[in-house]
Amino acid sequence: QVQLVQSGAEVKKPGASVKVSCKASGYTFTNYYIHWVRQAPGQGLEWMGLIDPVDGRTTYAQKFQGRVTMTRATSTSTVYMELSSLTSDDTAVYFCTRDLGGGSYFDYWGQGTLVTVSS
Amino acid sequence: DIQMTQSPSSLSASIGDRVTITCRASQTMNINLNWYQQKPGKAPKLLIFAASNLHTGVPPRFSGSGSGTDFTLTISSLQPEDFGTYYCQQSYSTPPYTFGQGTKLEIK
Repeated sequence: QVQLVQSGAEVKKPGASVKVSCKASGYTFTNYYIHWVRQAPGQGLEWMGLIDPVDGRTTYAQKFQGRVTMTRATSTSTVYMELSSLTSDDTAVYFCTRDLGGGSYFDYWGQGTLVTVSS
Repeated sequence: DIQMTQSPSSLSASIGDRVTITCRASQTMNINLNWYQQKPGKAPKLLIFAASNLHTGVPPRFSGSGSGTDFTLTISSLQPEDFGTYYCQQSYSTPPYTFGQGTKLEIK
C-alpha cells in the first residue's frame, strides 16, 4: 500500500534550520511529484513547494524562496525539506504529499511532522 | 495567483442533514478543483477530485459539483464521523497550489 512516512517532531531555536524527511513506499517513486504543505496551529493549509523525483527539479512558493530547499534520494525513495532562518512563525505541522502533476490532486499524505520554533 | 474562498467558515448540523459547502475561485478554472477532509491531529484526506469524482473508498454520500468559479461539496445525509474541517484546493493554475481557508463542520 502507498505510504509516506515522515521523520519525527523537532524543536529548534530561532535562526536555526530544520530538515524533515518523507520516505515513500508502495509505488514507483519517480512517477509522482512530492509536495510539502504546512499548517500553523489552528490555521489552514499552505503549499510550500514541490520536487520532481525524476531529476530533482524544484518549484517553491514565492513566500519561501531563498529559505527552503527540497532534495531527494532516489536510492531510498526519500524526499527532504530543509527550512532555514526559522522564526516562531514557522511553528507548524509540515506534511508531504504526492500528485501526478498536470492539474492533479494530492491523493496520499504523510502523517505530518511538528516543528516547534522556540527560544 | 488564484484565491479560493469557502463559505461558510463553520457550520453545525444534525445527523441526517444535507450539508453543502461552497468554494469560489477568484478566476475561472475549468474543473481542476479538489476537496479534502481533515480531522484534528491528522493529515488531510482526499474526498473529491476534478470537481465531481469520488476518491477511492469515499462514501457515496459525498458529492461534488461545479465548474468555472463556483464549486460545491455536498454531504447528502450527515453521519457522526463526518465532523472535521473541509478544504477546497485548485490545481488549475499552478504554482501556487492554493487552498480555501477551510470550513469547520460540527455535529449538533
